[in-house]
Amino acid sequence: GAGVSQSPRYKVAKRGQDVALRCDPISGHVSLFWYQQALGQGPEFLTYFQNEAQLDKSGLPSDRFFAERPEGSVSTLKIQRTQQEDSAVYLCASTPARVTGNTIYFGEGSWLTVV
Amino acid sequence: SQQGEEDPQALSIQEGENATMNCSYKTSINNLQWYRQNSGRGLVHLILIRSNEREKHSGRLRVTLDTSKKSSSLLITASRAADTASYFCATQGAQKLVFGQGTRLTINP
Repeated sequence: GAGVSQSPRYKVAKRGQDVALRCDPISGHVSLFWYQQALGQGPEFLTYFQNEAQLDKSGLPSDRFFAERPEGSVSTLKIQRTQQEDSAVYLCASTPARVTGNTIYFGEGSWLTVV
Repeated sequence: SQQGEEDPQALSIQEGENATMNCSYKTSINNLQWYRQNSGRGLVHLILIRSNEREKHSGRLRVTLDTSKKSSSLLITASRAADTASYFCATQGAQKLVFGQGTRLTINP
């Protein structure tokens, strides 16, 4: 596709429900990032993949958060037993193989509201 | 955790005026990038400046970088109503981008 595609765009989850957010990166991009952006804040790093390898997951806030990219293209961010503080926009981004110095392209985000 | 601080947090100017936003950061970097985010939308990449560069231009945008002071500025000249958005600086070390809190820019017609 032309850009990074994320789905769903909007998700309302009841507290305790599990959610899965999908990211389709730009074709051919091997590096993929997930960010969390709370209302009125800057994006916060969650995790980074190079192909199917998850090289950095230091930003995942708890073990309820899990990300995967099994075939090195589409990625899924899963949040188990959602809590109200998980309400945020979840942004996916991709870039060509060499990350440093390359433009990182962001999707429109998945807006999660936990009620 | 956020790497940088942006100043001001909010800026409101008249259409046609210039807008300047500043960003400070804490650690050494490979490059610094500026992004725009319209309300309810994703991040749009504006410009990247490498650590060995001091100034870069793109259309009405001018970015400066002072690595000795660990600071950068974004200047938007001849502002337009469509420039109304949040602007974020992001520093890149090895791989991930680390964002500041952003500046909310409002251009009044």
